[in-house]
Amino acid sequence: EAGVVQSPRYKIIEKKQPVAFWCNPISGHNTLYWYRQNLGQGPELLIRYENEEAVDDSQLPKDRFSAERLKGVDSTLKIQPAELGDSAVYLCASSHGLLSGSPLHFGNGTRLTVT
Amino acid sequence: AQTVTQSQPEMSVQEAETVTLSCTYDTSENNYYLFWYKQPPSRQMILVIRQEAYKQQNATENRFSVNFQKAAKSFSLKISDSQLGDTAMYFCAFVRFQGAQKLVFGQGTRLTINP
Repeated sequence: EAGVVQSPRYKIIEKKQPVAFWCNPISGHNTLYWYRQNLGQGPELLIRYENEEAVDDSQLPKDRFSAERLKGVDSTLKIQPAELGDSAVYLCASSHGLLSGSPLHFGNGTRLTVT
Repeated sequence: AQTVTQSQPEMSVQEAETVTLSCTYDTSENNYYLFWYKQPPSRQMILVIRQEAYKQQNATENRFSVNFQKAAKSFSLKISDSQLGDTAMYFCAFVRFQGAQKLVFGQGTRLTINP
């Protein structure tokens, strides 16, 4: 099966500029996650979708971050305006749903550098 | 809240040796899942092994095995006959069996296999 696809792979922007990341999950996976991974640390959840509904966005900085998952498939994560502290790797993952213990499948991530 | 701790920031062994990575976690839950993920320089998180807390038998996957000590809340990963391709960051992760399906990661251990 095709894996989770993310784009772009790298993004360099100046602070205060907007940026968007795109994710296409594995076909049939109803649960989609966006994680942020700072250098040398483990990933931290930003938002989780069940189909098109955001069921956990408690860690999403809503003043500048937004996300959507139209039609319950592809998802976009946006930052506007970006700050220096937003430099990180943004990982998208999908699964059948962790209730059954099904593991997350991750994409290659987008490395964001804010200058 | 659940927390996952990996106390070894870095480890290094020679090829073909056996290495054990440590992980402890804190939870009041009785049923949950534990995972080990590998993240090579390509950045993609790859599932290595999974353990269900209700199973007493330790999970094994080829050269990878775990030592799951539920009472001690310990979940170590043993890599036998280590190979150069095992060089990567390794993350321990926890998810509750019910309720919020949020995968919580440890800080990671950077493992280097030397020729």
